[in-house]
Amino acid sequence: EPEVTQTPSHQVTQMGQEVILRCVPISNHLYFYWYRQILGQKVEFLVSFYNNEISEKSEIFDDQFSVERPDGSNFTLKIRSTKLEDSAMYFCASSELAGGTDTQYFGPGTRLTVL
Amino acid sequence: AQKITQTQPGMFVQEKEAVTLDCTYDTSDQSYGLFWYKQPSSGEMIFLIYQGSYDEQNATEGRYSLNFQKARKSANLVISASQLGDSAMYFCAMNWMNTGFQKLVFGTGTRLLVSP
Repeated sequence: EPEVTQTPSHQVTQMGQEVILRCVPISNHLYFYWYRQILGQKVEFLVSFYNNEISEKSEIFDDQFSVERPDGSNFTLKIRSTKLEDSAMYFCASSELAGGTDTQYFGPGTRLTVL
Repeated sequence: AQKITQTQPGMFVQEKEAVTLDCTYDTSDQSYGLFWYKQPSSGEMIFLIYQGSYDEQNATEGRYSLNFQKARKSANLVISASQLGDSAMYFCAMNWMNTGFQKLVFGTGTRLLVSP
């Protein structure tokens, strides 16, 4: 069964460094998403991406975040200058379409630790 | 603003029994979707079941069913015949037409423990 994959599974970085989290969405899906989950808290929406542009973003998704689809398969989240509070699990998700019936399938997540 | 409320931080159930996990939601949008996801201790988010706001029948997927009461704005997950592998966090989530159904809002989750 097709699935969303994410690399790396765990990333440790120093405060102020740039990180890139990578995702390979399900191949026939058109909508891509990033969510984050701070330890012990609920999952929060960051951004959705369609047709090579951001279609929705949350107030969390400020100028230090960016997303890109550099080729036909990868979808990346870049954090330019990491802060301690960026430590979280980051989930990539994809859906075939965007509609009430369309389910977002999540990857296994990347645990980001900022020291 | 859209909001999901899960009032049960933890639930216990014995193996083979049924359990209901509560979820209430708040939205002014007439068209929305409701989802349940399971998060085992390994951390991944596993889709379980979906209910659309216009669906008249309650959704079912194997041992999972969604008790949808639109007037009460509730979308409770019922797990029948619990198994040890059902022990996990369970999140209720919704999307809605006003954001093109692109943004999922999650509740705080319920931790389910299934005992032998």
